[in-house]
Amino acid sequence: KQEVTQIPAALSVPEGENLVLNCSFTDSAIYNLQWFRQDPGKGLTSLLLIQSSQREQTSGRLNASLDKSSGRSTLYIAASQPGDSATYLCAVQGGSEKLVFGKGTKLTVNP
Amino acid sequence: SQTIHQWPATLVQPVGSPLSLECTVEGTSNPNLYWYRQAAGRGLQLLFYSVGIGQISSEVPQNLSASRPQDRQFILSSKKLLLSDSGFYLCAWSVRPTIYEQYFGPGTRLTVT
Repeated sequence: KQEVTQIPAALSVPEGENLVLNCSFTDSAIYNLQWFRQDPGKGLTSLLLIQSSQREQTSGRLNASLDKSSGRSTLYIAASQPGDSATYLCAVQGGSEKLVFGKGTKLTVNP
Repeated sequence: SQTIHQWPATLVQPVGSPLSLECTVEGTSNPNLYWYRQAAGRGLQLLFYSVGIGQISSEVPQNLSASRPQDRQFILSSKKLLLSDSGFYLCAWSVRPTIYEQYFGPGTRLTVT
């Protein structure tokens, strides 16, 4: 059974700092990995999707990497801003239609 | 462009009452549709998914059910709510048969009292 773990559960950083969020998964036979952002009381916004054949994806200040063999992904946020404050969720998809989610990392960027 | 709607946004219901949450998708056809529940401290849990009209797969035994009466409509129901049904319910869709990137709706906050 696939399990997804995100460390740390919470992170507080000053504005402007570069930071890394971690995601690990137990079964390396994944189809893709997706990073989401969730603001309080809101739905999920898809940030980046990495297919199993890819090593990384970039969007603006965000860079996500995937090491399938070791069961790890990182989300790098450059020059963090207070507007980046949210919960970041990692999810992996195996051979079926389903995503398995981690519990998320709650990020606070202090001005 | 595609959009996904959920209603109601918030709902407070007494124990034992029925439930109906609705999700509709615009701008795409024949999507996969999903219902998730997010409870405090437990992360997102997949409840149901559907690959077509009338085709529903259940992931978790519970007193909830789902139906897909139209291609872009997905409904979550219960005949009698339990306190444990409280949570944040999210609908999502993805395009088949490509890379299964999932897109989420705004969610419904359900409080069972």
